Amino acid sequence: KNEVEQSPQNLTAQEGEFITINCSYSVGISALHWLQQHPGGGIVSLFMLSSGKKKHGRLIATINIQEKHSSLHITASHPRDSAVYICAVRSGGGADGLTFGKGTHLIIQP
Amino acid sequence: DGGITQSPKYLFRKEGQNVTLSCEQNLNHDAMYWYRQDPGQGLRLIYYSQIVNDFQKGDIAEGYSVSREKKESFPLTVTSAQKNPTAFYLCASSTDGPALNMNQPQHFGDGTRLSIL
Repeated sequence: KNEVEQSPQNLTAQEGEFITINCSYSVGISALHWLQQHPGGGIVSLFMLSSGKKKHGRLIATINIQEKHSSLHITASHPRDSAVYICAVRSGGGADGLTFGKGTHLIIQP
Repeated sequence: DGGITQSPKYLFRKEGQNVTLSCEQNLNHDAMYWYRQDPGQGLRLIYYSQIVNDFQKGDIAEGYSVSREKKESFPLTVTSAQKNPTAFYLCASSTDGPALNMNQPQHFGDGTRLSIL
């Protein structure tokens, strides 16, 4: 069973700072997901990647398959980025479920 | 707009009662999932379904039951056998299916918070 570790667990930063959230996993995967959970509990999918790098607006996700590690970066952070960011992996193909990290609670102060 | 609807948002249960959480999607997705989230813990998979009339147990299926009679609906019943049902429950769906060996993004509902009275 895959173990997914995220760091840091909590992060408070000032508006405008560059943010990095890390995710490592123990077993080879077919895909890694970055999710954003808002205070009300709803979850939005940010990225799904299996290699390389993806960018969407101020968000960048990278993955290193050999090192079993992924990072989520936020450039020019803003208070509206405050949320819990969750890393999740799928070990095989098909429609079985994801294995989740515990999440990183990010607070961006104005 | 297409999406996933979970209802109710908050649910209270007396001990010994079964309760059913609703999950409906109009995304025409084949696969649907139920996850449970506890404070300080990652989401854990309860059940998933790749296609109508078929579903599989996840990591923590004990005390739960599901049905998949229609493509758009995947209700979760929390039975009295579930000893610690208080949690936040999330439903998700994706275009993954048994014929595909690919990975697709999962779309999530807004969740149902279940509490025991």
